[in-house]
Amino acid sequence: SQTIHQWPATLVQPVGSPLSLECTVEGTSNPNLYWYRQAAGRGLQLLFYSVGIGQISSEVPQNLSASRPQDRQFILSSKKLLLSDSGFYLCAWDSSPVTFGSGTRLTVV
Amino acid sequence: SQQGEEDPQALSIQEGENATMNCSYKTSINNLQWYRQNSGRGLVHLILIRSNEREKHSGRLRVTLDTSKKSSSLLITASRAADTASYFCATDPANDYKLSFGAGTTVTVRA
Repeated sequence: SQTIHQWPATLVQPVGSPLSLECTVEGTSNPNLYWYRQAAGRGLQLLFYSVGIGQISSEVPQNLSASRPQDRQFILSSKKLLLSDSGFYLCAWDSSPVTFGSGTRLTVV
Repeated sequence: SQQGEEDPQALSIQEGENATMNCSYKTSINNLQWYRQNSGRGLVHLILIRSNEREKHSGRLRVTLDTSKKSSSLLITASRAADTASYFCATDPANDYKLSFGAGTTVTVRA
């Protein structure tokens, strides 16, 4: 079956610390993958999308980066977190319709 | 940038009433999708309507699409307290991989 896994579910990190959020999909090959961020009470902002291994498109300049080391793995990273990086991060897969991971609540303190 | 824009931003109704929310978009699309998000949770897909469809039903949900006006509506009939959530439209644009979401409509159903 086709599933998407995202972890961790919650994360509290100090300012200046690194970040690594991982997303993996199962049951498909060469998926289009997305990272979204949702600020409290707001809509979803597309951060990155990837149509294949090593192919990353960035939508907005920011303190974050993404990588796709394997076909079904998508990683969101930061070298030094800022307070403004706090939010709810969602990984998604264009499975027509889009399937979302369960999200990571990141709080930068 | 966000292509889909939902209206209204918030909606409060009594249980049993219907809830209607609208979505407008800017470019040509392959399909339009509606999602629901309970507080602090991930998004759940509700319904997808293709660009060549005008109306679609799923249980108590009814979605319309008017490509000439670049707009869609989501109707929830006979609302229940459990329908309280945020609802988002997402557009799958033609010739692009970027799925764009609106800011959402927050629906509160009062018992």
